[in-house]
Amino acid sequence: DTGVSQNPRHKITKRGQNVTFRCDPISEHNRLYWYRQTLGQGPEFLTYFQNEAQLEKSRLLSDRFSAERPKGSFSTLEIQRTEQGDSAMYLCASSATGAGNQPQHFGDGTRLSIL
Amino acid sequence: GENVEQHPSTLSVQEGDSAVIKCTYSDSASNYFPWYKQELGKRPQLIIDIRSNVGEKKDQRIAVTLNKTAKHFSLHITETQPEDSAVYFCAATETSYDKVIFGPGTSLSVIP
Repeated sequence: DTGVSQNPRHKITKRGQNVTFRCDPISEHNRLYWYRQTLGQGPEFLTYFQNEAQLEKSRLLSDRFSAERPKGSFSTLEIQRTEQGDSAMYLCASSATGAGNQPQHFGDGTRLSIL
Repeated sequence: GENVEQHPSTLSVQEGDSAVIKCTYSDSASNYFPWYKQELGKRPQLIIDIRSNVGEKKDQRIAVTLNKTAKHFSLHITETQPEDSAVYFCAATETSYDKVIFGPGTSLSVIP
């Protein structure tokens, strides 16, 4: 197990295009999180999955954003009609379910640049 | 919801000196406080965490303290080394399902 994997590492696209990112969590982790990080800021929570169920979405996640985790394993984050303000690093994290809080392990992220 | 503040935003120390980063949180129900280190262009990495039933935790040169009454927690790094240079994020976890709320980060520079 090599940890949380995200693809692609970098994505450059023109404004108005749709983009999709993929996250493969640590295999035994059933919790999966998406965060967005802009330069000089801490990661901001976007959404959370427990297995295949999406249990919370941040108000940051406008209707142009959608996330799925169809089989409770990998997850995808899609942004439709991209805007310049969507340029950021998109981070995925996973954690196990257990007694008490469990640490989250992050992937290397997908850096999105909107031209 | 939870709000986490962090100070200072930048910190420079001489190699071998100690570094202290302080954070406050707003939600008294938060009960888990991880610290992450992020080097330029890399993923945030968990370096230490503390739960609300513990006041202090130490791991080699790194220690964290928690004051639940004041809603303060701090990271202490002793005998700093150049490889400690990075951005450090404190965080607090909302109790419902471990949603992590990050502070704005502290950029630490250790000068050889």
